[in-house]
Amino acid sequence: DTGVSQDPRHKITKRGQNVTFRCDPISEHNRLYWYRQTLGQGPEFLTYFQNEAQLEKSRLLSDRFSAERPKGSFSTLEIQRTEQGDSAMYLCASSFNRGTKNIQYFGAGTRLSVL
Amino acid sequence: GDSVTQMEGPVTLSEEAFLTINCTYTATGYPSLFWYVQYPGEGLQLLLKATKADDKGSNKGFEATYRKETTSFHLEKGSVQVSDSAVYFCALTQGGSEKLVFGKGMKLTVNP
Repeated sequence: DTGVSQDPRHKITKRGQNVTFRCDPISEHNRLYWYRQTLGQGPEFLTYFQNEAQLEKSRLLSDRFSAERPKGSFSTLEIQRTEQGDSAMYLCASSFNRGTKNIQYFGAGTRLSVL
Repeated sequence: GDSVTQMEGPVTLSEEAFLTINCTYTATGYPSLFWYVQYPGEGLQLLLKATKADDKGSNKGFEATYRKETTSFHLEKGSVQVSDSAVYFCALTQGGSEKLVFGKGMKLTVNP
């Protein structure tokens, strides 16, 4: 069990550029979640996958955001035409959905700074 | 929608002091309740959980009891250590997705 891995840890970009983040979940986990955390706030849900299917998206996830999880393994989160308001920590979590065992394990996050 | 309200900090305590962090929730149905902790420079870690009313979660000397009548899940520790310095988040799971809904977090600093 190597834990949830996120890459990169930090990303600095200019406004208007596209960025992509990667999340590698714990290998046997079938659910994968993306959250966003801004300074002084708790994480907010963005979207989640069960295997390769994206089953729910938050209203926070504008059209500029897209997430994929091909083959139900790693996931990517892309932000197009970044804005300064996108600056935040992007967190990935994974879990194995079975009965009451759905405990989410978090990665260390990707910190995005949009200049 | 469902929400979590938790005591805001920051809070500074001396080592061996008693800790209480208040957390109340608003939810339809019967959510599971969690406390997550974020140590400096690290990711969120599950500290403890409770899945039904009157359940008590405990870990590393921390305890919290799911109180349905007061919609609360207060976190307590009898004697804090310097190593407990971190940000503590109360959370609940919502809906079939079991996505987490978090409070704003409370930063705790424990001085020797």
